[in-house]
Amino acid sequence: DAGITQSPRHKVTETGTPVTLRCHQTENHRYMYWYRQDPGHGLRLIHYSYGVKDTDKGEVSDGYSVSRSKTEDFLLTLESATSSQTSVYFCAIRAAGRSNQPQHFGDGTRLSIL
Amino acid sequence: AQSVAQPEDQVNVAEGNPLTVKCTYSVSGNPYLFWYVQYPNRGLQFLLKYITGDNLVKGSYGFEAEFNKSQTSFHLKKPSALVSDSALYFCAVREGDAGNMLTFGGGTRLMVKP
Repeated sequence: DAGITQSPRHKVTETGTPVTLRCHQTENHRYMYWYRQDPGHGLRLIHYSYGVKDTDKGEVSDGYSVSRSKTEDFLLTLESATSSQTSVYFCAIRAAGRSNQPQHFGDGTRLSIL
Repeated sequence: AQSVAQPEDQVNVAEGNPLTVKCTYSVSGNPYLFWYVQYPNRGLQFLLKYITGDNLVKGSYGFEAEFNKSQTSFHLKKPSALVSDSALYFCAVREGDAGNMLTFGGGTRLMVKP
């Protein structure tokens, strides 16, 4: 398995609270991604990073922010969580160089917002 | 914009029979195509990819996929299904070297019955 650790693995919180999810990699890969997985929608890209302090929006970025201060860590923040953000969140990484390389995924964080 | 369609939410097959999981795509340039598998409470695992070359691509666990440019399809196949193949399968596309982002289909649940 690729060296990707997501934390926490499960979290329950209340509407309006801030939440931060962490993705840590040991592969020194340049690209990191945050997705959410919802029934019937597959995986949808929230934000991605192409280097330290270099990030860009994905398909469903509203309500989310990200930061990458070190190569190995990519943080996803929900500033004020809403029930619509209840989902399973996956981090992925990809090596730089040849863009035909596949992404490799962590095991996910299950987030419930009550 | 790129998109992926997996027309079947679920595919049922008997153990030992051949299986096919369908995928069609839409992309402006040359497609990079990927198949992933997801087991319960796990992240997505890479199975195989098509970048260029032979239309028949072989991947992990005996799976293969056939790229058909005229039909814009990339169906996943296996000659003889195993009960352990039961899982959720995702097709994904990226627009050649120009794209950093993968777009996923909604997923197809494969059920292999003994």
